[in-house]
Amino acid sequence: DAGVIQSPRHEVTEMGQEVTLRCKPISGHDYLFWYRQTMMRGLELLIYFNNNVPIDDSGMPEDRFSAKMPNASFSTLKIQPSEPRDSAVYFCASSLVGGHYEQYFGPGTRLTVT
Amino acid sequence: SQQGEEDPQALSIQEGENATMNCSYKTSINNLQWYRQNSGRGLVHLILIRSNEREKHSGRLRVTLDTSKKSSSLLITASRAADTASYFCATDLYGNNRLAFGKGNQVVVIP
Repeated sequence: DAGVIQSPRHEVTEMGQEVTLRCKPISGHDYLFWYRQTMMRGLELLIYFNNNVPIDDSGMPEDRFSAKMPNASFSTLKIQPSEPRDSAVYFCASSLVGGHYEQYFGPGTRLTVT
Repeated sequence: SQQGEEDPQALSIQEGENATMNCSYKTSINNLQWYRQNSGRGLVHLILIRSNEREKHSGRLRVTLDTSKKSSSLLITASRAADTASYFCATDLYGNNRLAFGKGNQVVVIP
């Protein structure tokens, strides 16, 4: 298996623009997680899905952030409009059994909003 | 609340030495995990220790868990330059399906 795939790897955009991050989890994994990593706040869970259904979105910072999982092999995280404080590395992870067991992380998307 | 908080250390050691890092947490857990992150990469799972276990080994890694003190330690023996990375502990909130990660310990192994 190729592991968790994320695209793009790097994204540079101007404030106010829409940003869409993409993730393909490991086939057969029922749980998908979106994290954000910054030096100041560390690794924060934004939202997670179980069987394509959003279960906990309490970590989503505000309404500018939205996430979808239209099928078992694809998820998106959208920021609209983007702001400089959204600059971070965004990780997608998937898990076979549940969020409290081993999670497999993608390589991340480094987002820079100018 | 943030679970899994490592002692905020940056550790620099010589190749061949052992590296130890600690993690504390606040509430009851099912298990505790350690992950490694190389610069510019995603996190990689290293080891999981359940709440009813006290010690676990995996290759050069040794993890201990003390639930009475709500703490864990990760020992890397005979370190190698390739062990240079940040190490994170993560705890599940009991009965919850999510992990809370600490801020990570940076380890630099000098060849």
